[in-house]
Amino acid sequence: EAEVAQSPRYKITEKSQAVAFWCDPISGHATLYWYRQILGQGPELLVQFQDESVVDDSQLPKDRFSAERLKGVDSTLKIQPAELGDSAMYLCASSKGQEVYEQYFGPGTRLTVT
Amino acid sequence: KQEVTQIPAALSVPEGENLVLNCSFTDSAIYNLQWFRQDPGKGLTSLLLIQSSQREQTSGRLNASLDKSSGRSTLYIAASQPGDSATYLCAVSPLYNFNKFYFGSGTKLNVKP
Repeated sequence: EAEVAQSPRYKITEKSQAVAFWCDPISGHATLYWYRQILGQGPELLVQFQDESVVDDSQLPKDRFSAERLKGVDSTLKIQPAELGDSAMYLCASSKGQEVYEQYFGPGTRLTVT
Repeated sequence: KQEVTQIPAALSVPEGENLVLNCSFTDSAIYNLQWFRQDPGKGLTSLLLIQSSQREQTSGRLNASLDKSSGRSTLYIAASQPGDSATYLCAVSPLYNFNKFYFGSGTKLNVKP
């Protein structure tokens, strides 16, 4: 069964350092999402791509976060510089982007900023 | 903006009990509603998806219902097992943007042996 891949699974970094996360969606899925989930809360959308274009980044802290999906397939989310408050689970999800619009999630990256 | 609420935040039941998890949303103009399961430290696993034209969906011991007019969905778990222990989240997508999802904070379920 096809799955969304993410790496790394865990990341510990010091504040003010740069960190990057990678996501490979299910093949053929046009829509890709990056979410941030703080412990005890639901996922919050950071950025949504349709193919290689950003369609929603209204909740992305653009002074330190950036995201790209250059060829409309895999995607990278970067934080520079990391802050203590960025410690969270970062989840990637994908969807066909048509008909039923069902989301499929990857295993997530647990980020700890010290 | 769509607000999604899940009550209770946590639930502990003995094994074998039938239980109901609740999800409410403020805007009834939804395209679909999806229920997920999340194990500690892991990603979300899709359980059931209900399209706006449907009233319920079933998968094994799980049954999800949708009442758009009252802004509510319920997830019914029959004959609960310790392996059902996890956090259950619901997410809704609005009619004005099929591809955007709003999540509740989840219900953390503990099924005791």
